[in-house]
Amino acid sequence: NAGVTQTPKFRVLKTGQSMTLLCAQDMNHEYMYWYRQDPGMGLRLIHYSVGEGTTAKGEVPDGYNVSRLKKQNFLLGLESAAPSQTSVYFCASSGSGRPAGELFFGEGSRLTVL
Amino acid sequence: GQQVMQIPQYQHVQEGEDFTTYCNSSTTLSNIQWYKQRPGGHPVFLIQLVKSGEVKKQKRLTFQFGEAKKNSSLHITATQTTDVGTYFCAGDNAGNMLTFGGGTRLMVKP
Repeated sequence: NAGVTQTPKFRVLKTGQSMTLLCAQDMNHEYMYWYRQDPGMGLRLIHYSVGEGTTAKGEVPDGYNVSRLKKQNFLLGLESAAPSQTSVYFCASSGSGRPAGELFFGEGSRLTVL
Repeated sequence: GQQVMQIPQYQHVQEGEDFTTYCNSSTTLSNIQWYKQRPGGHPVFLIQLVKSGEVKKQKRLTFQFGEAKKNSSLHITATQTTDVGTYFCAGDNAGNMLTFGGGTRLMVKP
């Protein structure tokens, strides 16, 4: 019953460093999403994917890149981390996109950029 | 772009009191979803509303979708300490992504 798994759960970076967050789902879902959560601002969509090999921009894509080489994995990359990217990142997956179906979230990855 | 506003941002209640959070969208929605996030946890799906004027109940929780499909509410009757958390609405405007409201953080005093 893994569902959606995110790694790592915690990470501290220095400004300018790069890193990749990995999201893996075992529910055979087509749709996968990366959100960031900041206090008082809810969840904001960074990038999403409607299937293997596809990616699209969300509300706040700048400074991030994503890849979906395998259906079960969705990677979020930060090429040059900035303090403004300090946040909690959530990955989610869904079995449908139009209309939007229930989102299954991972436990989150807390990133601090110094 | 689509905006989803949620009020209030915070709510303190005494255990046993009722609680309501409201969600308003700048555009007509095809459906709306509600999620609960416990402190330190991740959002968990509660329900989805699709039809205009729809009302759904889950035990002490009542969810409504407005007639114009631009607003929604979540009402909790007789709150318990287990209701503590942040409640989010998320609107679908028939695109590929949900837009989340800012959330209402519920705190319950025992």
